[in-house]
Amino acid sequence: QSALTQPPSVSGSPGQSVTISCTGTSSDIGSYNRVSWYQQPPGTAPKLMIYEVSNRPSGVPDRFSGSKSGNTASLTISGLQAEDEADYYCSSYTSSSTYVFGAGTKVTVL
Amino acid sequence: EVQLVESGGGLVQPGGSLRLSCAASGFTFSGFYMHWVRQAPGQGLIWVSDINGDGSYTSYADSVKGRFTISRDNAKNTLYLQMNSLRVDDTAVYYCARGGVMAATDLWGQGTLVTVSS
Repeated sequence: QSALTQPPSVSGSPGQSVTISCTGTSSDIGSYNRVSWYQQPPGTAPKLMIYEVSNRPSGVPDRFSGSKSGNTASLTISGLQAEDEADYYCSSYTSSSTYVFGAGTKVTVL
Repeated sequence: EVQLVESGGGLVQPGGSLRLSCAASGFTFSGFYMHWVRQAPGQGLIWVSDINGDGSYTSYADSVKGRFTISRDNAKNTLYLQMNSLRVDDTAVYYCARGGVMAATDLWGQGTLVTVSS
């Protein structure tokens, strides 16, 4: 199972919006709404930010939103803040009853 | 407090074995799928394995199938990963994580480092 495709990095100024894409195949993202997104600041464990494509767990700011179209999922961070600087990973369930992560995207706040 | 605490990592030679443990607390352990996810130094997250609540179903990434075994002891609220025939490329921080709604992992431990080297 190949990793989902994410851009290596995105950046934005405070207050701006950034969007991270996550491209898979018809065997994962294209077939299931079991897409989730994780935030990982340096030296820490991942934290769930979005589940089931677009749902936010309790405590996650509404600046974070998710969507999906075809084989591509997206995470948008609106009103970018310094504390949002971290690595972000997408994940999807697959037709092999396994899971696959993206390679990760580093978000830099300029 | 709801938490997961991994242990059992360390240095092992290629071809060796290691068993990781993950102690769960603060929630009904038997009611949740559990996962192992690893992260090589400076690299991304890689899903390794999962197990259902009563231990009757397991799944593995191709890279570890036949070498790693996931199991759980619900009486002890503990998840395990038995790792055999370890290779240098198994070197990573291993996280245990709780399976939540719609296949998302909503609770993660702090990770335990496994180093495979001669």
